[in-house]
Amino acid sequence: DIQMTQSPSTLSASVGDRVTITCRASQTVSRWLAWYQQKPGKAPKLLIYETSTLETGVPSRFSGSGSGTEFILTINSLQPDDFATYYCQQYSTYSSVTFGRGTKVEIK
Amino acid sequence: EVQLVQSGTEVKKSGESLKLSCKGSGYSFSHYWIGWVRQMPGEGLEWMGIIYPDDSDTRYSPSFRGHVTISVDNSTSTAYLQWSSLEASDTAIYYCARRPGAAGGLDYWGQGTLGCVSS
Repeated sequence: DIQMTQSPSTLSASVGDRVTITCRASQTVSRWLAWYQQKPGKAPKLLIYETSTLETGVPSRFSGSGSGTEFILTINSLQPDDFATYYCQQYSTYSSVTFGRGTKVEIK
Repeated sequence: EVQLVQSGTEVKKSGESLKLSCKGSGYSFSHYWIGWVRQMPGEGLEWMGIIYPDDSDTRYSPSFRGHVTISVDNSTSTAYLQWSSLEASDTAIYYCARRPGAAGGLDYWGQGTLGCVSS
């Protein structure tokens, strides 16, 4: 199984900050990496797939980069609605899919 | 409008069986993979497995293979997740989600079903 190491586990930030979350894979997943946002009591929401493709309707302040084993989610100018938990997910094959352990973005 | 609607909360005892459902609408159900994700109380997301409704091709995470069964009924556009013998550690929220293809992530999610298992 491919392991996904996500960091940090918790992040304190203020409205307007630029935030970065890192996800490292234990072996290459090429560009098959997605990012999700989850708020308490809600289902996760797809933000980015294939490393850097923004899902329809997701604000452009969200961006993704990376390839192989290291990936980054960047949120430019953090908004009040962005305080949530974020997960990375590799999906290199239909049989091999794993999530990172999540990053909680809290208000500073 | 694409929707995945899951069945309601279940309360069971260890050793009992359980079958959760996920009904798709607003798209061609048989031509999109449906995956299942577990979220234990206060924890992160765990991948359980996925099924392609058109031919019932099913792939399981090694962590869940042999403990759960994923199936589908194309006549009702419904996917299922079932256990033959529950354990208390199966208490969790279970989500179904659609995967549009090899390149995409999980783009539509069900609302989640809470399964509570007492020992």
